[in-house]
Amino acid sequence: GQQVMQIPQYQHVQEGEDFTTYCNSSTTLSNIQWYKQRPGGHPVFLIQLVKSGEVKKQKRLTFQFGEAKKNSSLHITATQTTDVGTYFCAVWHFKAAGNKLTFGGGTRVLVKP
Amino acid sequence: DGGITQSPKYLFRKEGQNVTLSCEQNLNHDAMYWYRQDPGQGLRLIYYSQIVNDFQKGDIAEGYSVSREKKESFPLTVTSAQKNPTAFYLCASSIGRGLRTYEQYFGPGTRLTVT
Repeated sequence: GQQVMQIPQYQHVQEGEDFTTYCNSSTTLSNIQWYKQRPGGHPVFLIQLVKSGEVKKQKRLTFQFGEAKKNSSLHITATQTTDVGTYFCAVWHFKAAGNKLTFGGGTRVLVKP
Repeated sequence: DGGITQSPKYLFRKEGQNVTLSCEQNLNHDAMYWYRQDPGQGLRLIYYSQIVNDFQKGDIAEGYSVSREKKESFPLTVTSAQKNPTAFYLCASSIGRGLRTYEQYFGPGTRLTVT
């Protein structure tokens, strides 16, 4: 199935600064989703992208799907302590036996106050 | 409230014992999934089920077994054949089948420690 690689694996950010995390694939993706997992918690769905070049915003979070649909990014502006957690990208694969979601390794975000 | 429940939150077992993790959902979702997460790692798919009485192996099914006798329930058994069972186990569900992408909802997880 399609594998997605996330970089960086860890991101240390000063509170108030911006940062970007990336999700890359060697093959064209039909869709991509982003999830956030707080420390000790479970993943929570953030957004879904399906169109080439698509950009979606959620307050301080901006999600983008690359023009070639081989990469995606999550940009957070003015980082806050509430942004701490691990951000995963994930791709749905469609099969006759059933659809499954494959997750990237995640970017762990730590915020320095 | 609709959602997914997993019990227990923490589970301790001795090596060589089988253990069953519970997962129940009242979202009326067709599809259910089990993932394993190791410290500092991503989520790896163990088993998934699109409909009752049918399930498929994921990427790391060896040493695990599941059943799907009811739409709302998808228990996972960690057998003694699983070499490194200590991990965080997450159950998830989504609306269902077809060539569409859906949001996946997760339960709170069960932390299993085997010594």
